[in-house]
Amino acid sequence: EVQLVQSGAEVKKPGESLKISCKGSGYSFTSYWIGWVRQMPGKGLEWMGIIYPGDSDTRYSPSFQGQVTISADKSISTAYLQWSSLKASDTAMYYCARPSLAGQPYNWFDPWGQGTLVTVSS
Amino acid sequence: DIQMTQSPSSLSASVGDRVTITCQASQDISNYLNWYQQKPGKAPKLLIYDASNLETGVPSRFSGSGSGTDFTFTISSLQPEDIATYYCQQYDNLPPKFGPGTKVDIK
Repeated sequence: EVQLVQSGAEVKKPGESLKISCKGSGYSFTSYWIGWVRQMPGKGLEWMGIIYPGDSDTRYSPSFQGQVTISADKSISTAYLQWSSLKASDTAMYYCARPSLAGQPYNWFDPWGQGTLVTVSS
Repeated sequence: DIQMTQSPSSLSASVGDRVTITCQASQDISNYLNWYQQKPGKAPKLLIYDASNLETGVPSRFSGSGSGTDFTFTISSLQPEDIATYYCQQYDNLPPKFGPGTKVDIK
């Protein structure tokens, strides 16, 4: 079964750093891109960026460029989303999701991870 | 950036009703349009890809149509388990934006 399993909920203070993870299984991790999607409380879905674990090619939405870093460790089939200095406005649910077609970054996302809730509060 | 709009933003219908949601792109996106269902507290789930292709395992009461700038998502007979928010998503232009969502509940 193709599956993405994300790390658990986090509670952080403004200014702290954070790295959340998304572990893929049931498929060739280096053959598919993995993307990240933000959902702020009560709001819609926002595409943040995407990485190809095979060669670490990474692309960001202009809205998130410079705000977060996406990385991957293919040796453990895991993608990451990290912040160097969190803000209260980073409070959201973050989903990883895999484009369905191998080698192609832009198509339809299936499957999705279960989500990681990040709460940033002083 | 392509802008995506959806209407209505919310609707309430009875079990068995036909439900239609529209999604409009600010420019031609061919058929590069997907539909997702998100139930409360859950991750989104792919229902329709490339405007009209039903994902494997998705009930046939769900369907999609359209091309260019105007798209339609239909639930032919609303069921209680269809209570969710539905999002369209384009991937013709970067970044691949989602629509604002349509919340569906039971009357």
